[in-house]
Amino acid sequence: DAKTTQPNSMESNEEEPVHLPCNHSTISGTDYIHWYRQLPSQGPEYVIHGLTSNVNNRMASLAIAEDRKSSTLILHRATLRDAAVYYCILRDLTGTASKLTFGTGTRLQVTL
Amino acid sequence: GAGVSQSPSNKVTEKGKDVELRCDPISGHTALYWYRQSLGQGLEFLIYFQGNSAPDKSGLPSDRFSAERTGGSVSTLTIQRTQQEDSAVYLCASSLVLAGPYEQYFGPGTRLTVT
Repeated sequence: DAKTTQPNSMESNEEEPVHLPCNHSTISGTDYIHWYRQLPSQGPEYVIHGLTSNVNNRMASLAIAEDRKSSTLILHRATLRDAAVYYCILRDLTGTASKLTFGTGTRLQVTL
Repeated sequence: GAGVSQSPSNKVTEKGKDVELRCDPISGHTALYWYRQSLGQGLEFLIYFQGNSAPDKSGLPSDRFSAERTGGSVSTLTIQRTQQEDSAVYLCASSLVLAGPYEQYFGPGTRLTVT
């Protein structure tokens, strides 16, 4: 599986935007970019995914570089409830084994 | 509708005993996955099911671990002769289908402590 690289931790003030980066220089043409997050003492939850174009949903936006070797998860206004570990994961579109391979993720701290 | 549920939420067992962990996926989801998360570690894939069959068991850490799924719904993960290194949170997830970019929905997990 192609690997991803994320910073171990980031901090943000509440109500400010947060940009969480992810590098995936060995991404293949059939890999989707997925983001999940894990709040304290909970199972992971899906945030967003994309292939080539930027994506928006009610939770976040995903900006994908033109060469697809990096992407950025954007939380437009961070709240205390957004404090979590955020995982950037590549999933092969063509494969039938769609297990998620989690890295270490980025621990986001949100302060008042 | 209801999300993925797991039981028990917590389980404390003595070393050497067998344990069964249960997962109820979202109704209609054909794919089911088991992961575990050890203290301070990342999430580790264990096994997945498409319907009742498990094409990929490569993630099971030893032959003490087994899983089954009946009726294309409920799944049970069994750990025989538990060891202290089995202590972890065991997470179950389900998705509509196996292939493609469909998101996985995770349950709250079962925290297993082996004393």
